Order: sequence, then C-alpha cells, then structure tokens
Amino acid sequence: EVQLVESGGGLVQPGGSLRLSCAASGFTFSSFAMHWVRQAPGKGLEYVSGISSNGDTIYYANSVEGRFTISRDNSKNTLYLQMGGLRTEDMAVYFCARAVAVTGYPTFDYWGQGTLVTVSS
Amino acid sequence: DILLTQSPSFLSASVGDRVIITCRASQGISSYLAWYQQKPGKAPKLLIYAASTLQSGVPSRFSGSGSGTEFTLTISSLQPEDFATYYCQQLNSYPPWTFGQGTKVEIK
Repeated sequence: EVQLVESGGGLVQPGGSLRLSCAASGFTFSSFAMHWVRQAPGKGLEYVSGISSNGDTIYYANSVEGRFTISRDNSKNTLYLQMGGLRTEDMAVYFCARAVAVTGYPTFDYWGQGTLVTVSS
Repeated sequence: DILLTQSPSFLSASVGDRVIITCRASQGISSYLAWYQQKPGKAPKLLIYAASTLQSGVPSRFSGSGSGTEFTLTISSLQPEDFATYYCQQLNSYPPWTFGQGTKVEIK
C-alpha cells in the first residue's frame, strides 16, 4: 500500500525556518517525481515545489522561489522541504504528492495527509 | 503561469442531480488536466487525469471532457458522498502546475 506521511510542521515566527519531511513507503520511491502542495486555512490548493526522481530537476512556485528548498534522500525514501524566511502567508497545510505519468500525462495519484505550518509571532 | 478559472465557485444540488463544473485555462493545455475531490480535513483524491481518463476505483458517474482551454467535470447522478470541493489542475509542460480555485458542492 502506498503511504506518504508528512511531518515537521508546527508554530514558527515570521522570518523563521522549518523543515518538512515526507516519508514514503509501499512503492519504489526513487522511481517517482515528488511534489509539495499547500492549502492555507479555508483556501484552495497551491502548487509549491517539485523534484524529479533522481533530484536533478527542481521546480518552485514564484511565491516560494529563493526561500524554500526541496530535496530528497532516495536511500531513506524521504522528501524534504526546507522553508526559510517564513511569512504569515506561508501558513498552510503542506501536502506531499507522488507524480506519475500515464501514457505521457502526468498527475498526482497519491497524497499524504498533510502537516500544518503556522507562522505567527 | 497558466491561470485556471473554475465555475461556479459554489453550487447547491440535490442527490440524484446532474452536476457540471467547468474549468477554463488561460492558454491551451491540450489534455493536460486533472480533477481532484477534497473533503474537509482530508487530502485531495484523484478522480480524472488526461482530461477524461477515470482513475482506477473512481465511480463511473464521474466523467471529464475537453481539451485546449475548456474542460468539464460531470457527475451524472450526485450521491451523498460526492458533497465536497472539486479542483482542476493543469499539468502542461513543466511545473508550476497550477490549480483552479475550487468548486464547493453542497447539499440543497
């Protein structure tokens, strides 16, 4: 069974840092690109960042570029999101998601349950 | 970035109703579109990818259509468990792969 379990969320002051983790199991982690998506309280889904299966290719939303760093450790089956320079608008539930490409069409087929990041003084 | 606009943002419907949600892209995205269902406090669930391909295990009352800039998600006969928020997502070319703002389907 595919499982994605996020951790590392919590309360942080504006300007602070936090590292999120996403532990994967039930599939060959090193074969799949992975992504982070967030959802502010009461709001919609927002794409944050993605990383290719071997970590060579990385993408960021404009809103987090230069402040967040995505990475992965395929030996530990874990995805990371290092967040710095946090702002109140970064407060959200952060989901990790597995990307697959079926007949050339990508999609996010499995999602974790999310971890809440609260940015407040 | 490609902008996705869903309509309506909110709809009220009864069990058994046919429901149609529209997603319009700011530029052509071929069939690189997915639909997700999200219930409160839960992660999104994939319903449809490649604009019209039903994800395994998803009931056949859900269907998707469209290409280019205009897409629809149809629920042929709304069931009690379908009351949720629905999002489209474009996956054209490279990330960032943006989402629509969501459509909340509530009980009439």
